[in-house]
Amino acid sequence: GAVVSQHPSWVICKSGTSVKIECRSLDFQATTMFWYRQFPKQSLMLMATSNEGSKATYEQGVEKDKFLINHASLTLSTLTVTSAHPEDSSFYICSATTQTGNNQPQHFGDGTRLSIL
Amino acid sequence: GDSVTQMEGPVTLSEEAFLTINCTYTATGYPSLFWYVQYPGEGLQLLLKATKADDKGSNKGFEATYRKETTSFHLEKGSVQVSDSAVYFCALTRNSNSGYALNFGKGTSLLVTP
Repeated sequence: GAVVSQHPSWVICKSGTSVKIECRSLDFQATTMFWYRQFPKQSLMLMATSNEGSKATYEQGVEKDKFLINHASLTLSTLTVTSAHPEDSSFYICSATTQTGNNQPQHFGDGTRLSIL
Repeated sequence: GDSVTQMEGPVTLSEEAFLTINCTYTATGYPSLFWYVQYPGEGLQLLLKATKADDKGSNKGFEATYRKETTSFHLEKGSVQVSDSAVYFCALTRNSNSGYALNFGKGTSLLVTP
């Protein structure tokens, strides 16, 4: 149980393109979804927290107009990288939780590797 | 802010060796502590967790104890296998602006050789 599907797993596109990444909880309803970014050989850095039906909360230094997050249902959140540039190339990972509380584990997608040419 | 520090890798061990990956944390409150594992080419999987002081998390032969006095959550396994080769992340919950996100350590790469 607690499967999170992330799509696409890899995307290569030209500079200036907008790219949408989907994160779905397949067998549970996710009250909260998180979006992380991971640079090569580094840790995951939280970008934003997304609660169903409300606006995402972005971490300091993350441009909300650049990284658009929509959480329209309890099973789907999307991250759109608008007008992507080479510096946006990274590994993006989503996670989802079933309940609130600081002892609830997060279930991670397999990540999306984004390469901007 | 709340953070975790884990030992630098890579760690290379022979099969059946004893494993310890150190993790210490800094927190103002009482976070929950986690170990996640990332196998090559895959996403993160929860390995084990502990939610309060002196709790011991265990799974697949791995153990870690939440030590408040030393602010540590070291990962141990008595006898590693080749299949344990992966990157291991220590993490704690943080109260973000909405919801409990995770702060991760930098990860420790483990390679187990036959």
